[in-house]
Amino acid sequence: DGGITQSPKYLFRKEGQNVTLSCEQNLNHDAMYWYRQDPGQGLRLIYYSQIVNDFQKGDIAEGYSVSREKKESFPLTVTSAQKNPTAFYLCASSVTGDTEAFFGQGTRLTVV
Amino acid sequence: AQSVTQPDIHITVSEGASLELRCNYSYGATPYLFWYVQSPGQGLQLLLKYFSGDTLVQGIKGFEAEFKRSQSSFNLRKPSVHWSDAAEYFCAVRGGSYIPTFGRGTSLIVHP
Repeated sequence: DGGITQSPKYLFRKEGQNVTLSCEQNLNHDAMYWYRQDPGQGLRLIYYSQIVNDFQKGDIAEGYSVSREKKESFPLTVTSAQKNPTAFYLCASSVTGDTEAFFGQGTRLTVV
Repeated sequence: AQSVTQPDIHITVSEGASLELRCNYSYGATPYLFWYVQSPGQGLQLLLKYFSGDTLVQGIKGFEAEFKRSQSSFNLRKPSVHWSDAAEYFCAVRGGSYIPTFGRGTSLIVHP
């Protein structure tokens, strides 16, 4: 079945460590997105990519980094510079243009 | 810039009652509009979308939404709510940038 796979579902890290969240899609979508979700704040855009080897900062990119070396993959690294990294992270993809976004099941990151 | 407002943080209804969740958007032209649903700890699932044409759109799980340009609204409705509809609902708008912007969400509580 086609879809978006995020792994792991739960992730625990110590403060000061970088951590990478995986996002893979087999939908042949050009565009991919990372959102952060906090209670009561909806979804906020971290980074997006509309084509391989190109990505753009979203509204809250500070303390995060991404890469887009393959069409299917868009990993997100939460660096030690992110002040409050504990959150639910959602990856999404879409055919570039006038279509809806499809979401993965999310990764809950807890930094202690 | 595009934006979405969901005025209601929580909505409580009795099972079998009708439901309307409000969504107001801001965008200069006709946007693409979406409603998503999220169960706890899960990703977002698309309920319905509006791109053009008939302003009343039907979605999955018995939901419908009506686009009203004069009111900049895209309210979600269901004639009879089931206990399984309890979830978080997000309205989203997609304008010229092709990047979806989400509202803060409305939490639906269903009483038996």
